[in-house]
Amino acid sequence: DVKVTQSSRYLVKRTGEKVFLECVQDMDHENMFWYRQDPGLGLRLIYFSYDVKMKEKGDIPEGYSVSREKKERFSLILESASTNQTSMYLCASSSPASGDNNEQFFGPGTRLTVL
Amino acid sequence: DQQVKQNSPSLSVQEGRISILNCDYTNSMFDYFLWYKKYPAEGPTFLISISSIKDKNEDGRFTVFLNKSAKHLSLHIVPSQPGDSAVYFCAAGRGSSNTGKLIFGQGTTLQVKP
Repeated sequence: DVKVTQSSRYLVKRTGEKVFLECVQDMDHENMFWYRQDPGLGLRLIYFSYDVKMKEKGDIPEGYSVSREKKERFSLILESASTNQTSMYLCASSSPASGDNNEQFFGPGTRLTVL
Repeated sequence: DQQVKQNSPSLSVQEGRISILNCDYTNSMFDYFLWYKKYPAEGPTFLISISSIKDKNEDGRFTVFLNKSAKHLSLHIVPSQPGDSAVYFCAAGRGSSNTGKLIFGQGTTLQVKP
């Protein structure tokens, strides 16, 4: 069964802290994505990666960085957390071999609160 | 520039009736469209998709219609059930992209009343 896991379901951090969000997929997918979901704004793409050590900025990369050292793992890093980064963070993966529609498989999400 | 738009933030229907969720897009180069369903505190799950070369795709109670000339798609749920209450996102992508990138709409919250 397809599985995307995220390291934490809920996280509370303080302003200025460095925050790591981890995502692991067991489907041998090439593509991995980080989104944030905010009410009324939908899913906004932060960063994505189409191969190990490759990364591309999404629509809202400011204040974030990513790391993909292994195919199965994609990390999102908040260098210095701020209150406007309080959000639901969703990781997803996909593969061109999955079919014509590039279906993405999502993890359960991490609800991050920055105080 | 919002390439995929869901202009209705919420929709409420009675159990057993039809739910129609709408989505508009601006980029005529999209090759496929997907609908995802999301419950609170869970990740989105794939529901149904449609290729740009088709105008209809059906899967059980769920049907997606695509009107390319109007750059509009809709998801029909018949009959609606209380368990369908969730946020629905439409998404679009291009087949030529090997990154698998999708553009998502803002989401529509569906409430199905018993």
